[in-house]
Amino acid sequence: SQQGEEDPQALSIQEGENATMNCSYKTSINNLQWYRQNSGRGLVHLILIRSNEREKHSGRLRVTLDTSKKSSSLLITASRAADTASYFCATDAAGSARQLTFGSGTQLTVLP
Amino acid sequence: GAGVSQSPSNKVTEKGKDVELRCDPISGHTALYWYRQSLGQGLEFLIYFQGNSAPDKSGLPSDRFSAERTGGSVSTLTIQRTQQEDSAVYLCASRPGGADEKLFFGSGTQLSVL
Repeated sequence: SQQGEEDPQALSIQEGENATMNCSYKTSINNLQWYRQNSGRGLVHLILIRSNEREKHSGRLRVTLDTSKKSSSLLITASRAADTASYFCATDAAGSARQLTFGSGTQLTVLP
Repeated sequence: GAGVSQSPSNKVTEKGKDVELRCDPISGHTALYWYRQSLGQGLEFLIYFQGNSAPDKSGLPSDRFSAERTGGSVSTLTIQRTQQEDSAVYLCASRPGGADEKLFFGSGTQLSVL
C-alpha cells in the first residue's frame, strides 16, 4: 500500500516561479526523503529530513515536515526548465525493516 | 562500478516465458532493494535485502516472483511464466547501510511482455 501520497499529481509553472509539492503519509516515520526522476528511469536522492526536524534547506530546495499532520512539503525556488521531472516522497516507517515506501509522485513541468 | 548497474536495460518477452533481471549494486553497499514502476505510476516495493539477514519479501506480488542476492552483492530478480501485467520498469537500488539512509538507483529494466 502507498505510504506517501503527493499532491498535486501534476504542476505546471513558468521558469523563475516557485514550485511547491506536498506529501502526506499514514504511519509514524523515522525519516522522509524526496527523490527526483527524469524520463521514467532511475531516481536521484534530493534531501532527507528526520522525524525530529521541522525544516531543511539544500540549495534551491526547502523541505518542511509536520509530524502532527503527517505531511511534508518540498519547495523549489526560482525554478528552471531543467527542474522538469517527477518528484517522489519516500518514508522509512518507524519500526519497519527499513523498507522505503514511495508515493505516487508529482509531475512538475517548468515552462521556459 | 561508479553506480548501480542493471541489465538488461530493455527486455521484450512472450507471455509465459521466464525472465531474469540483474542488479549490480555499488560496491560495499549492504542493503539492496527492488521496486516496480508501472507507466506513470509510483514505485511499488518488491523485496529488500540487508546484509546476511533474511530478505523482506513482503512486496512480491505472487509466487512467480523471486529474488536472490549472492555473496551480498549481485542480485537477480526472476519472474516465471510472465504475464502482460508484469510489464513495467523494474528498478534496483542500494544503500550504504549504517546511518546513511539514502538510496542510489539504477536506470532500471524496462520489461515488456507481449
